[in-house]
Amino acid sequence: KAGVTQTPRYLIKTRGQQVTLSCSPISGHRSVSWYQQTPGQGLQFLFEYFSETQRNKGNFPGRFSGRQFSNSRSEMNVSTLELGDSALYLCASSLRTGGDTGELFFGEGSRLTVL
Amino acid sequence: GQQLNQSPQSMFIQEGEDVSMNCTSSSIFNTWLWYKQDPGEGPVLLIALYKAGELTSNGRLTAQFGITRKDSFLNISASIPSDVGIYFCAGQLYDMRFGAGTRLTVKP
Repeated sequence: KAGVTQTPRYLIKTRGQQVTLSCSPISGHRSVSWYQQTPGQGLQFLFEYFSETQRNKGNFPGRFSGRQFSNSRSEMNVSTLELGDSALYLCASSLRTGGDTGELFFGEGSRLTVL
Repeated sequence: GQQLNQSPQSMFIQEGEDVSMNCTSSSIFNTWLWYKQDPGEGPVLLIALYKAGELTSNGRLTAQFGITRKDSFLNISASIPSDVGIYFCAGQLYDMRFGAGTRLTVKP
């Protein structure tokens, strides 16, 4: 069973640009969550999508957005990049039964460097 | 959002020693999870706990869901060099909250 796949693994952008990251969840998983990981702040929740609908949203500015497609694949977008957006962006999928997210299975992450 | 209090922040131990780390929160959770993250990789799920008081083992790893539902611990017995990494706890009540991680270094 294939795991969570994130692309690209590494990317370098400059301030003001925008970036789109992609995530393919484990087959059968309908929930996809996104996290930002930095050395200083740890794992910070960005948002969760389930059946193409945003279920939860973390405390990030509107420059951070996401969407989920009918095949459960998800993308997140960051516009007008700032130096502080440099981080490892992790996608996690889960089965999500009931009200809880369920066990999260993470991808290897997309490491974004903003110059 | 509210994060969990995970301790210790880092540990330097000798190969063969046992390790213990824990997470506490002021809020209750329905589920506690423990993850390990290697450099440049995503976190990997080690153990999931679903009931207060539950004690679960996975090889040399043992974790417990605290009876108050506000804490959990993870023990690693007879550590080996490949145990090196960052261990995260996560508590879930509708959404997932993470601890800041415990960085484990094992000296051969």
